[in-house]
Amino acid sequence: AAGVIQSPRHLIKEKRETATLKCYPIPRHDTVYWYQQGPGQDPQFLISFYEKMQSDKGSIPDRFSAQQFSDYHSELNMSSLELGDSALYFCASSLGLKDYEQYFGPGTRLTVT
Amino acid sequence: GEDVEQSLFLSVREGDSSVINCTYTDSSSTYLYWYKQEPGAGLQLLTYIFSNMDMKQDQRLTVLLNKKDKHLSLRIADTQTGDSAIYFCAEKTSYDKVIFGPGTSLSVIP
Repeated sequence: AAGVIQSPRHLIKEKRETATLKCYPIPRHDTVYWYQQGPGQDPQFLISFYEKMQSDKGSIPDRFSAQQFSDYHSELNMSSLELGDSALYFCASSLGLKDYEQYFGPGTRLTVT
Repeated sequence: GEDVEQSLFLSVREGDSSVINCTYTDSSSTYLYWYKQEPGAGLQLLTYIFSNMDMKQDQRLTVLLNKKDKHLSLRIADTQTGDSAIYFCAEKTSYDKVIFGPGTSLSVIP
């Protein structure tokens, strides 16, 4: 069965650069969630979208923005990168706002040097 | 403030039951979740329980919720080496925020 796809899987950026992470949900899933997990840390919920509208907002810094497109894929844009942004970024998808039935992607590992 | 706490480590023998405990602070939580993260891998939503339930069973997994004490537990029956992972407890608060605990690292000894 098709799973959540995230690209790229690994990304290395320098401080103050920008990065764009992409998430392709499971076909027919209309809700996308973004999480950040720092090294040895618990995941932090960043933001979610349902039917291309922001549904929930968590600990997303102002330097980050995200959107969901008409094909339901989502992009997380990160600007003015800081060393502390180095983390695993997970995307999950669900059908409807059923975050209790989320399916996660493999994650994008962002390293900021 | 909102907080989710878990013990950080648990070690069990293969075939025994594992019980991972979690406490949370928001008495108005709507959902409580258990996530599994295997070494070097992504997150997996293992199971969840609605806040108006006391227990949920799903094959080898049993989730118990004590709302009065704000205590959640995950019992894994017949623990296998493949169950070795970090287990995160999370709550969805009354403000629709999802707060994760620090994770419990489960080691299964063959």
